Amino acid sequence: ETGVTQTPRHLVMGMTNKKSLKCEQHLGHNAMYWYKQSAKKPLELMFVYNFKEQTENNSVPSRFSPECPNSSHLFLHLHTLQPEDSALYLCASSQLGWDLPRVTEAFFGQGTRLTVV
Amino acid sequence: AQKVTQAQTEISVVEKEDVTLDCVYETRDTTYYLFWYKQPPSGELVFLIRRNSFDEQNEISGRYSWNFQKSTSSFNFTITASQVVDSAVYFCALSEAGSSNTGKLIFGQGTTLQVKP
Repeated sequence: ETGVTQTPRHLVMGMTNKKSLKCEQHLGHNAMYWYKQSAKKPLELMFVYNFKEQTENNSVPSRFSPECPNSSHLFLHLHTLQPEDSALYLCASSQLGWDLPRVTEAFFGQGTRLTVV
Repeated sequence: AQKVTQAQTEISVVEKEDVTLDCVYETRDTTYYLFWYKQPPSGELVFLIRRNSFDEQNEISGRYSWNFQKSTSSFNFTITASQVVDSAVYFCALSEAGSSNTGKLIFGQGTTLQVKP
């Protein structure tokens, strides 16, 4: 298994649909992240989970709902999205610690290319 | 405030030329980490290097080299003898490791590198 796996790779959904993106990491990391990459903006952090607890929500609209049932899995539940939510959604994981280095490099999945119609 | 600036939006070179990608960062933390990632057309972000704020040694890895200068808050990336396979979008990123260490990455806007044969 590769380090970080995301499914599906591509998703087309209508504005009234409900769908979920899945991310799984096989690296034993204790932190997971959702990032959004749209055509006109740089990579934006959406959510951070450290030790399964959400530690950051970067002012993300409530139509995006994250879930982290354990330190290896991360979901992003989508409902009533807008066309401007079409983007590449990237999941990542890293290892945090109190000793130096306090953070390792993040490893990314291949992303889910989402199109909202 | 934390910020990463990659002033070069696009760079085009001919194969075998050397090319330098610039990165300037802003942070108030004394402990932080800098990263470079490569994003090929497939979309996945590929980790290239992590540099700790307390280690200003420059690094060379094959055709890649990095110049970290705290005095100018810069972390530039040089590809020597570029190849067509180097064509990608390159991102510089910052992670602050202060009291609110979550491992989140602040990305620059990215530099699209095109290497022509």
